[in-house]
Amino acid sequence: EADIYQTPRYLVIGTGKKITLECSQTMGHDKMYWYQQDPGMELHLIHYSYGVNSTEKGDLSSESTVSRIRTEHFPLTLESARPSHTSQYLCASSSGQGGYEQYFGPGTRLTVT
Amino acid sequence: KNQVEQSPQSLIILEGKNCTLQCNYTVSPFSNLRWYKQDTGRGPVSLTIMTFSENTKSNGRYTATLDADTKQSSLHITASQLSDSASYICVVSDRGSTLGRLYFGRGTQLTVWP
Repeated sequence: EADIYQTPRYLVIGTGKKITLECSQTMGHDKMYWYQQDPGMELHLIHYSYGVNSTEKGDLSSESTVSRIRTEHFPLTLESARPSHTSQYLCASSSGQGGYEQYFGPGTRLTVT
Repeated sequence: KNQVEQSPQSLIILEGKNCTLQCNYTVSPFSNLRWYKQDTGRGPVSLTIMTFSENTKSNGRYTATLDADTKQSSLHITASQLSDSASYICVVSDRGSTLGRLYFGRGTQLTVWP
């Protein structure tokens, strides 16, 4: 079992609210990632980080933002949630070794009403 | 364009039976291929990882094969159990970046019935 955690696991929130999805890992990995996954669809990379103070946008355009102030912590923020943001959000981390093995958290299921 | 295609999209089998899932990819330059198992509402968990030079790799009842020439992989599950019900995702990594970019298939949803 990978040591990567996400909270909350489930979130139902109204339109216009600001939300932060938490992700933390205790493996000391430099690289961290956020993916978005809709039912029956593939994972899409929305943000990634090479290390502290490094953040980049991924392949899928997202209105969310991320920060990386500490190695172990990679939160994702939506300033104003909309129904189109309803999805599953998965956080992952990698040491960059072993073929870039990525370890995934359990995910946050977000529903915006 | 780097892509990963999986078939079938869904599969229902009876407990104890075997099954094989397929993956075709166009990712280049190829680094490695993984099969992940994703239970409903959970994050993916790696089952196997194969590099260019490996043809077969086993992990318990799971056996993955790779044909790097035809860019195809398969995952064979032997003597299926109810707990095998999950989505199985084929993931290919390229050598083109230091990020370790992964390309995901949409997965095969496997349901094992008693």
